[in-house]
Amino acid sequence: ETGVTQSPTHLIKTRGQQVTLRCSSQSGHNTVSWYQQALGQGPQFIFQYYREEENGRGNFPPRFSGLQFPNYSSELNVNALELDDSALYLCASSLGPGRNEQYFGPGTRLTVT
Amino acid sequence: EDKVVQSPLSLVVHEGDTVTLNCSYEVTNFRSLLWYKQEKKAPTFLFMLTSSGIEKKSGRLSSILDKKELFSILNITATQTGDSAVYLCAVEKGGADGLTFGKGTHLIIQP
Repeated sequence: ETGVTQSPTHLIKTRGQQVTLRCSSQSGHNTVSWYQQALGQGPQFIFQYYREEENGRGNFPPRFSGLQFPNYSSELNVNALELDDSALYLCASSLGPGRNEQYFGPGTRLTVT
Repeated sequence: EDKVVQSPLSLVVHEGDTVTLNCSYEVTNFRSLLWYKQEKKAPTFLFMLTSSGIEKKSGRLSSILDKKELFSILNITATQTGDSAVYLCAVEKGGADGLTFGKGTHLIIQP
């Protein structure tokens, strides 16, 4: 059984740029959720994808967008990067939107300068 | 506004001690409470609790939920240096709102 994987591991971008982060869900999992974790804070829910559609969204602006592909992998896109977007971005997969034993990937550390 | 509050925020104990970590919550439409351990990056799943008063146990770790008083505790007995980590409490609501996390308890076990 393959766990949740994310790429890249680290990323440095400049304010105003755009970034795409990638996530492969655990084998058999069809639901992917994305979280932003600032230093010293708990993860904050960005959105969830199920069957290639956004299934729920937290309090994040529209410049945070995503995709889910037929193989259940997912992308998180952030446009017009701001300094406050610097954080660890975590992807979590689960067996379904109502089955919330979510299993997390190792995350992508994004630094915006 | 939904809230998950963990205490203490940090804790330093000696190897062999027993620790109790606390999590209180105020959310609408509560469904379950989850505990995770975060060492470097990926939070790893520990427990999911849905019913009051039923203890979940895994080795030296155990957890219980009180849905009347809206809190949960995570106990770790005979602590080891490998237990050093941030322990996150999260609440799941009905619907597709994702998990609401607390800030975590940073636990340091000294040899």
